[in-house]
Amino acid sequence: DAGVIQSPRHEVTEMGQEVTLRCKPISGHDYLFWYRQTMMRGLELLIYFNNNVPIDDSGMPEDRFSAKMPNASFSTLKIQPSEPRDSAVYFCASSLGQGSPLHFGNGTRLTVT
Amino acid sequence: AQSVTQPDIHITVSEGASLELRCNYSYGATPYLFWYVQSPGQGLQLLLKYFSGDTLVQGIKGFEAEFKRSQSSFNLRKPSVHWSDAAEYFCAVANSSASKIIFGSGTRLSIRP
Repeated sequence: DAGVIQSPRHEVTEMGQEVTLRCKPISGHDYLFWYRQTMMRGLELLIYFNNNVPIDDSGMPEDRFSAKMPNASFSTLKIQPSEPRDSAVYFCASSLGQGSPLHFGNGTRLTVT
Repeated sequence: AQSVTQPDIHITVSEGASLELRCNYSYGATPYLFWYVQSPGQGLQLLLKYFSGDTLVQGIKGFEAEFKRSQSSFNLRKPSVHWSDAAEYFCAVANSSASKIIFGSGTRLSIRP
């Protein structure tokens, strides 16, 4: 299995631009999570899905952030418009749920200038 | 809502010395608890987990953790650390359905030769 695949690995963009981060979970995993990691705030849960349905988006910072999961093998996290304070590493993870371990992608390092 | 506290931001130990990383959680019911490790530039990898039963759980790479309900703690231990153990360690707690997983702020472990 290829594991959780995230793209791009690095993204540099200017303030105000739209940013789209992509994730392909492990096949058969019913749960998909988006986390954001910064030095100041650590690893924050933004949103998670079960069977492609958003279950809890209480961690999404504001309306500029949106996430979708159109099918079981693909999810996106979009920031529009982006701001410098959005600079962070964004991780996608998937799992079978019910306490099974999270499998993390290698993350997308976002820099907004 | 669940929460996790890792009081130590950075710990340095000598190679071959014992290690204990602290973790305290807050959750109204019996928690699901995890320890993950993150190497630089990588996603997180599961070290061990506790759901029920024996309060001392064994994990990979020679790590173990003990669940103490009376202290709301789940400290990670290793009897003898190796230079390759240098990494960031995260404690995490999940809700009763074990689907929403919240991470602590992490403890960075450095190894002194």
